[in-house]
Amino acid sequence: ELKVEQNPLFLSMQEGKNYTIYCNYSTTSDRLYWYRQDPGKSLESLFVLLSNGAVKQEGRLMASLDTKARLSTLHITAAVHDLSATYFCAAINTGTASKLTFGTGTRLQVTL
Amino acid sequence: DTGVSQDPRHKITKRGQNVTFRCDPISEHNRLYWYRQTLGQGPEFLTYFQNEAQLEKSRLLSDRFSAERPKGSFSTLEIQRTEQGDSAMYLCASSPDTRQGGVTEAFFGQGTRLTVV
Repeated sequence: ELKVEQNPLFLSMQEGKNYTIYCNYSTTSDRLYWYRQDPGKSLESLFVLLSNGAVKQEGRLMASLDTKARLSTLHITAAVHDLSATYFCAAINTGTASKLTFGTGTRLQVTL
Repeated sequence: DTGVSQDPRHKITKRGQNVTFRCDPISEHNRLYWYRQTLGQGPEFLTYFQNEAQLEKSRLLSDRFSAERPKGSFSTLEIQRTEQGDSAMYLCASSPDTRQGGVTEAFFGQGTRLTVV
C-alpha cells in the first residue's frame, strides 16, 4: 500500500527566508504532485513531476523528484506572506488509475 | 466550463438524515474521483469513475455511502443515515483519460463542507 509522508507538518518562517518541505513515498510511483490549499478552499495544482531528476519552478517555489530515493522536495526561496497555506504532496500508485495518495500536508506560515 | 463544480458548497444536517452532493467535472474529462478531507488531514480517496462505470471504491466507503455517474457526466455522492463522523469536506476531482494523451493531472472542485449535528 502506497504511503506518503511529509515533513515538517508545520513550518513558521520569516519573510525572506528559504526552506524546504520534504515528501517521502513508500512504493514505486508514476508521478508526484504538489498542491496548495488555502483555509476552507479546495486544492490548487502547483507541480506535476514525471521522472527522476525532474525539477520545476514557478516563482518562489521549486519542486524536484528523486525516484530512487522516493523523495520529492518543495523549496521555498525568499518567502513572502502570500505563500502562507497548506502544501500537500501526492503520489500515484502504478496501475491504480491515477488515484492520488496524499501526505498529511505542511502548514506554512510566513511571518513579517 | 472553467473547472470542476460542486454543489452545495456547505451542508448542515441532523444526524440520521440523508444528504446528496453533486459534482460536475470538466466536460472533456472521462475520469471522476471523490475524496474526503477531515480537518488537518490530507484528502483520502473514496471512489473513482471511468465514464459511467464505478471502477474502484475505498474501504473507507461504508454501505451508507453510494456514488453514481449515470451518464458519464455529472456525479452524485449520497450519504444515508449521516453520523457525526461523516463531517468533512467532500472533494470531487476530474482528469482526462491517459489514452487521450497528456498528463493525468487531477483538477479539484471547491468541495462540499458537510457538518452533521
